Amino acid sequence: QQQVKQSPQSLIVQKGGISIINCAYENTAFDYFPWYQQFPGKGPALLIAIRPDVSEKKEGRFTISFNKSAKQFSLHIMDSQPGDSATYFCAAGGRLTGGGNKLTFGTGTQLKVEL
Amino acid sequence: SAVISQKPSRDICQRGTSLTIQCQVDSQVTMMFWYRQQPGQSLTLIATANQGSEATYESGFVIDKFPISRPNLTFSTLTVSNMSPEDSSIYLCSVEDSVYGYTFGSGTRLTVV
Repeated sequence: QQQVKQSPQSLIVQKGGISIINCAYENTAFDYFPWYQQFPGKGPALLIAIRPDVSEKKEGRFTISFNKSAKQFSLHIMDSQPGDSATYFCAAGGRLTGGGNKLTFGTGTQLKVEL
Repeated sequence: SAVISQKPSRDICQRGTSLTIQCQVDSQVTMMFWYRQQPGQSLTLIATANQGSEATYESGFVIDKFPISRPNLTFSTLTVSNMSPEDSSIYLCSVEDSVYGYTFGSGTRLTVV
């Protein structure tokens, strides 16, 4: 059972535009929501993360918006640049039964920023 | 954040053979995680490895197919056993730096022929 749904699967944005990627989760036990950026041949790298006690977090050109009641969160990339072209994964974190924490990943969005 | 080194970075293997992937971290960590990323797909957690105890496997993954070792707080191995073409994936090691802070290695790209 997929617990984190991500859309769109792919996205093309013009340079300088806003890229928006959406995720929805089901398990209300999740309490940590990171976004990862992955370039070809590399492992995912943490971009930005949010906890459910805030509705928005901004770091540079990257903003997470979080709607706890709707169980949705989104990534906004302002002033998108060709260097932002990568695959983006949302994830949701929750406690493991035996202790520690676990991430469940969305299906990924392939972003291409065109000149 | 922790720095993770994974070996090998890629390999092409014959079906029916086994491959052991190594994950080395530059600091001591309690939990290490192994993920599989099939071509064009998302990341799926295979198992969680704590030092000094048996790994905990996620649904759909079994120890006989993916045995894991965790001999100390900086090292772990994942073996992909009796490989078939369906095992062709990127295998990623991850560690938890702090509460919910996860770092990933660059992955091992495995092709089974």
